[in-house]
Amino acid sequence: KQEVTQIPAALSVPEGENLVLNCSFTDSAIYNLQWFRQDPGKGLTSLLLIQSSQREQTSGRLNASLDKSSGRSTLYIAASQPGDSATYLCAVYTGTASKLTFGTGTRLQVTL
Amino acid sequence: DGGITQSPKYLFRKEGQNVTLSCEQNLNHDAMYWYRQDPGQGLRLIYYSQIVNDFQKGDIAEGYSVSREKKESFPLTVTSAQKNPTAFYLCASSIVRDSEAFFGQGTRLTVV
Repeated sequence: KQEVTQIPAALSVPEGENLVLNCSFTDSAIYNLQWFRQDPGKGLTSLLLIQSSQREQTSGRLNASLDKSSGRSTLYIAASQPGDSATYLCAVYTGTASKLTFGTGTRLQVTL
Repeated sequence: DGGITQSPKYLFRKEGQNVTLSCEQNLNHDAMYWYRQDPGQGLRLIYYSQIVNDFQKGDIAEGYSVSREKKESFPLTVTSAQKNPTAFYLCASSIVRDSEAFFGQGTRLTVV
């Protein structure tokens, strides 16, 4: 059974700092990994999708990497801003289960 | 604008009552999903549909029912058999089952 873990559960950083969020998964037979952002009381916004054959994806100040063999992904946020404050979720699509499995998220607060 | 629309945003259910949550998408996606989100837990899959007139149970289907009569619509009914329905419900869609998933803004259901 696929399990996804995100560490840390919460993180507070001052504005302008670069930061890394971690995601690990137990079954390396994934099709893809997706990072999402969730604001309080809102739905999920897709940030980046990494296919299993890819090593990384970039979008603006965000860079996500994938090491499938070790079951790890990182989301790098450069020059953090207060507007980046949200919960960040990672999810993996596993073919054997035919579904996305989500981690419980990292709650990020960027302070002025 | 293309996207996924969930309604209502807030829903209150009395004990023993069935309620239906609406999910509509205009992205022309074949696959649609319903997730439940509880505090401190990852999203859990209730039902998913890969094509019109076909759907499968997810991890926590008991007490829920769905239909997929049209490509753009995937309503979820929370029946009286669901003993703990208070949660945040999220609908999602993707082009096919293992492609990038997009989410609606959610419906918060509360039992009164």
